[in-house]
Amino acid sequence: SQTIHQWPATLVQPVGSPLSLECTVEGTSNPNLYWYRQAAGRGLQLLFYSVGIGQISSEVPQNLSASRPQDRQFILSSKKLLLSDSGFYLCAWSVLGTRVDTQYFGPGTRLTVL
Amino acid sequence: KQEVTQIPAALSVPEGENLVLNCSFTDSAIYNLQWFRQDPGKGLTSLLLIQSSQREQTSGRLNASLDKSSGRSTLYIAASQPGDSATYLCAVPYNNNDMRFGAGTRLTVKP
Repeated sequence: SQTIHQWPATLVQPVGSPLSLECTVEGTSNPNLYWYRQAAGRGLQLLFYSVGIGQISSEVPQNLSASRPQDRQFILSSKKLLLSDSGFYLCAWSVLGTRVDTQYFGPGTRLTVL
Repeated sequence: KQEVTQIPAALSVPEGENLVLNCSFTDSAIYNLQWFRQDPGKGLTSLLLIQSSQREQTSGRLNASLDKSSGRSTLYIAASQPGDSATYLCAVPYNNNDMRFGAGTRLTVKP
């Protein structure tokens, strides 16, 4: 069966510090991978998605970046965090294909920027 | 551009009540709609997936309906229990690699 991991589960960082969130998927190959941010009382905002190693599409311009160094690893990074980067970050995967039928979500990372 | 709206934003009911959550979307050219459950501080868990050719899907006490022409879906929960307390989100596919989510309805079922 497929599983998706995220770490860390929670993170408290000062403004201006760097960020690295990691997501890994097990039990599937060549998945689509996604990073979402969920602000309090709001829906999920797609930040990045990837259809393959080294292939990253950005949905929202910001001070965040994403990388996919391996087939089942997706990393969300920042060089300097802003207060507005606080939120709940979710990684998800879907079966690679011509369309998305459903996405499978990780447990999330709660990021607080102080 | 696809926009997904969920009403109400929050709902509190006593245990045992039947309830309906609403989801609307602006672009009716969808091929499916999905309902998710999210517990506080957790990821999303898929509950029901309705294909565009279907009008409803059922899983236990949950029943989801889809009316593409009117851009609406409802999630019906029968005989609600405190364990049903969570946020419920609906989502539709967008482009080929993305989904659009509503902001969710936060449900509280009181014992």
